[in-house]
Amino acid sequence: ETGVTQTPRHLVMGMTNKKSLKCEQHLGHNAMYWYKQSAKKPLELMFVYSLEERVENNSVPSRFSPECPNSSHLFLHLHTLQPEDSALYLCASSQGPAGGTDTQYFGPGTRLTVL
Amino acid sequence: AQSVTQPDIHITVSEGASLELRCNYSYGATPYLFWYVQSPGQGLQLLLKYFSGDTLVQGIKGFEAEFKRSQSSFNLRKPSVHWSDAAEYFCAVGAGDTGRRALTFGSGTRLQVQP
Repeated sequence: ETGVTQTPRHLVMGMTNKKSLKCEQHLGHNAMYWYKQSAKKPLELMFVYSLEERVENNSVPSRFSPECPNSSHLFLHLHTLQPEDSALYLCASSQGPAGGTDTQYFGPGTRLTVL
Repeated sequence: AQSVTQPDIHITVSEGASLELRCNYSYGATPYLFWYVQSPGQGLQLLLKYFSGDTLVQGIKGFEAEFKRSQSSFNLRKPSVHWSDAAEYFCAVGAGDTGRRALTFGSGTRLQVQP
């Protein structure tokens, strides 16, 4: 595997379910990011981890819970989501530590549908 | 705070024609600028980036972009479009000195290529 991978690629869940999205980067980077991409809206930054510490939480509801157990893996735990949370969730990594000047490399995304 | 505007939501060009996608940014200092491309169902792929130096930057797939400080613009160009260039294109700005740790993206321009 090379680059940034995300699993699952597609996920359908009910509002009462609990699920997790997984991201893995094989680039030796130190920073990882979660973005939300909704239809007709710019990419929204959700969380940033740098050297396994959360360094930015962009006012995301608590029903989204990130976890970064090491510099190669990033999870997004989901519970009691709402239909408006349906979107493409993109993971990215950069050499870091995280900064606005870093080139970010993106995974293919997880298409989430909340029923 | 920095911002990015992509004035054109949707552009259609004929195969072989030239292309220019517009991007205007708002940022107080020297910006770090990026163009990404997203094919359907895929993540974002970096086309090119500008940090400093020569204001005309070359990227992958025959794309180039020119940084014009006086116009706060970073337009993407390609002299001859191929059908495989049909995708969505995102301009992004990174902050080098504010501590903001991720990129600010524009809303994207969807490119359609006619045979």
